[in-house]
Amino acid sequence: GNSVTQMEGPVTLSEEAFLTINCTYTATGYPSLFWYVQYPGEGLQLLLKATKADDKGSNKGFEATYRKETTSFHLEKGSVQVSDSAVYFCALSDEAAGNKLTFGGGTRVLVKP
Amino acid sequence: GAGVSQTPSNKVTEKGKYVELRCDPISGHTALYWYRQSLGQGPEFLIYFQGTGAADDSGLPNDRFFAVRPEGSVSTLKIQRTERGDSAVYLCASTPGLAKAGELFFGEGSRLTVL
Repeated sequence: GNSVTQMEGPVTLSEEAFLTINCTYTATGYPSLFWYVQYPGEGLQLLLKATKADDKGSNKGFEATYRKETTSFHLEKGSVQVSDSAVYFCALSDEAAGNKLTFGGGTRVLVKP
Repeated sequence: GAGVSQTPSNKVTEKGKYVELRCDPISGHTALYWYRQSLGQGPEFLIYFQGTGAADDSGLPNDRFFAVRPEGSVSTLKIQRTERGDSAVYLCASTPGLAKAGELFFGEGSRLTVL
């Protein structure tokens, strides 16, 4: 079956530091890949996505590249802000599995001023 | 409202009781999903509706869990004979349809605590 593994948190950073959150996946078909973010007190929201190999998703200064050869979709941001403090979830959607999302366990990120 | 609305936001009940959780999706969204998120974990799929029918209920853990969407809009997740292990945040999400599969709009969730 499908699964997503992401690095455990919490990740604590200083403002303007570089952020990487690792994500790898296992899928039976050809999945689309997503990063969702959950800010404190808010619902999950889509951050970025990539639908095929070598695609790069980007939004709000975050980027992730779909690497089929390493089955990875690592999230990066070059200079984090306090407002980036949140829980980040990597997820996949596989047409062969009915397009429902399979999530990783989440990574809590805390950015200190 | 503009977003997915879930009620109640918090529900505390006793073991063995019956619970209903309601989801009001974004107007015009045909697909509706229920997920369950236990503390410190990612959301786990429960059931998915396309219109009024359950297109995939493979994530429902057992027959104590049931969900309906009778008019293709509001959905209710029903849990019978609740157990302490049912304690979690129940998330609802909607999407315009399969063309945007995976791009879900989530509500803030209903936190269920079973004592």
